[in-house]
Amino acid sequence: AQSVAQPEDQVNVAEGNPLTVKCTYSVSGNPYLFWYVQYPNRGLQFLLKYITGDNLVKGSYGFEAEFNKSQTSFHLKKPSALVSDSALYFCAVRDIGSGAGSYQLTFGKGTKLSVIP
Amino acid sequence: DVKVTQSSRYLVKRTGEKVFLECVQDMDHENMFWYRQDPGLGLRLIYFSYDVKMKEKGDIPEGYSVSREKKERFSLILESASTNQTSMYLCASSTASGSRNNEQFFGPGTRLTVL
Repeated sequence: AQSVAQPEDQVNVAEGNPLTVKCTYSVSGNPYLFWYVQYPNRGLQFLLKYITGDNLVKGSYGFEAEFNKSQTSFHLKKPSALVSDSALYFCAVRDIGSGAGSYQLTFGKGTKLSVIP
Repeated sequence: DVKVTQSSRYLVKRTGEKVFLECVQDMDHENMFWYRQDPGLGLRLIYFSYDVKMKEKGDIPEGYSVSREKKERFSLILESASTNQTSMYLCASSTASGSRNNEQFFGPGTRLTVL
């Protein structure tokens, strides 16, 4: 079974400071990892994904994430936070398996990011 | 751009009513998904479909059914709505295209209230 943990329900950061939103995962094989963002009253928007290759993945809106296999983590980062980054962030994992079930994404419970002016 | 649309943004129904939530995608995606989102619980998969007329149960299928008669449309049905089905419902789609690493594209969501 695959699972995702986002240990922080909420993260507060001052505008202009670096931000990190944490994610750890558990899969039986190799993972595909994703980050999504949800603005109020909206659906989820894709930010970035790790499939293979370079452990540092760059995505939309200046976000990046680092895959760490030994720590089974995929933390989302941004060097300088903006007030407009305030939103709900979801980490998701897909196990590389076989059968229809491998299309499934398992999502974390979400982390609310608040960027304070 | 991929567009996933859902028939209603807000819906209010009464206990026992039959409820249909419709989702349409315009990118010829093979895979379609229905999730519900609840505070503190994140997204939980209800059902998904990887082809027309095919469906697979997700993590919480009880009380729900689905229909996929056409590739672009995936319907979620609450046969007899109950108050514990009050939630935000999100539809998503993704391409298969020979690999399983493609991201899912989400609709705007339907906030369903069952009274």
